[in-house]
Amino acid sequence: TQLLEQSPQFLSIQEGENLTVYCNSSSVFSSLQWYRQEPGEGPVLLVTVVTGGEVKKLKRLTFQFGDARKDSSLHITAAQPGDTGLYLCAGGAGGFKTIFGAGTRLFVKA
Amino acid sequence: DAGVIQSPRHEVTEMGQEVTLRCKPISGHNSLFWYRQTMMRGLELLIYFNNNVPIDDSGMPEDRFSAKMPNASFSTLKIQPSEPRDSAVYFCASRLGQGPYEQYFGPGTRLTVT
Repeated sequence: TQLLEQSPQFLSIQEGENLTVYCNSSSVFSSLQWYRQEPGEGPVLLVTVVTGGEVKKLKRLTFQFGDARKDSSLHITAAQPGDTGLYLCAGGAGGFKTIFGAGTRLFVKA
Repeated sequence: DAGVIQSPRHEVTEMGQEVTLRCKPISGHNSLFWYRQTMMRGLELLIYFNNNVPIDDSGMPEDRFSAKMPNASFSTLKIQPSEPRDSAVYFCASRLGQGPYEQYFGPGTRLTVT
């Protein structure tokens, strides 16, 4: 069974700090997605990484896919209160199925 | 473009009642997913459809749950009879069949069964 483990589960930081959250698996995924979910809303797709070693940047967010395509990280530079939310990673499990991690709940204090 | 539309946004019902949740996927998307999210269990896939056909319903918790997709622009998730443990947020998501698994989620329906 393919699983995605996210760490940390919860993170509370001050505005302006940097942070990294992780998404790990023992299985190889054909692609990984990162989503952000705010309270009362559905997850919103941030990025998809496909190639091992790939790095993508989205403003202050940097996403990396591991060389072996088993893990990914999300780094946020100079976090802002608007970054607060639940960050979910998801992996393509073959066919139509997607596996979701349990998420990292981030709170950025002003 | 309109995103995934779900209705109702909130539903409060008494145990034993029938509940029907509705979803309109993004036009042109040919895969549709129903998820349930709780604090304890996170985001769980209940069922997914491709080209209106149910492909995998192994996540449906029990026979009280059923889902239909009569056409490409509409799906329902029905719970009959409902129980308090069904209380959760139910999400519908859609995607293009050939995309690398990117999904677009609706705003969810918060179900409370008392």
